[in-house]
Amino acid sequence: GENVEQHPSTLSVQEGDSAVIKCTYSDSASNYFPWYKQELGKGPQLIIDIRSNVGEKKDQRIAVTLNKTAKHFSLHITETQPEDSAVYFCAAIPTDSWGKLQFGAGTQVVVTP
Amino acid sequence: NAGVTQTPKFQVLKTGQSMTLQCAQDMNHNSMYWYRQDPGMGLRLIYYSASEGTTDKGEVPNGYNVSRLNKREFSLRLESAAPSQTSVYFCASRQPGFNYEQYFGPGTRLTVT
Repeated sequence: GENVEQHPSTLSVQEGDSAVIKCTYSDSASNYFPWYKQELGKGPQLIIDIRSNVGEKKDQRIAVTLNKTAKHFSLHITETQPEDSAVYFCAAIPTDSWGKLQFGAGTQVVVTP
Repeated sequence: NAGVTQTPKFQVLKTGQSMTLQCAQDMNHNSMYWYRQDPGMGLRLIYYSASEGTTDKGEVPNGYNVSRLNKREFSLRLESAAPSQTSVYFCASRQPGFNYEQYFGPGTRLTVT
């Protein structure tokens, strides 16, 4: 089955700086890679995703890159703001898995003013 | 439009007691999922229901049972709670198709003493 590793486990950044979270996956059949943000006391919420036929995707201050050859993908947050403080999870999913997400362990991001 | 709702929000059980966690969605989604979240381990799939009338085991099904009561509701039952089942439980739903996004409920924090 799929195994997703996520690094770092915690990340502290100054407001306005960039944050990068990296994930690797094991199953070459995986072709969908979402990122979820979980605020304190809430359920995870999708913030951006990328499919295997795309190398990069941007949405305002967040972007995701995918390297299928190396089997890794990354989340980039630019111009960080205090409201970016949260736990971020990467995940991977093969197409025939009935939507079963395999999550990474999560990264606690703290943005300090 | 409430999305995914879960009850209760908090629960404390003694070892050996039983309880049912309730989940309902109002988005007319076919697929529903139960995850548990433990520190440093991300979210792990317990059971899922690809469509009404079907259920299947996920990564960590031992000690749990599920019922897909109808299209809206998917419950998780602990028959004989153990301290190892202390966790935060999340229900999610998804409409199968090209969009893989899962919508999560707010979670149930369960403590087993």
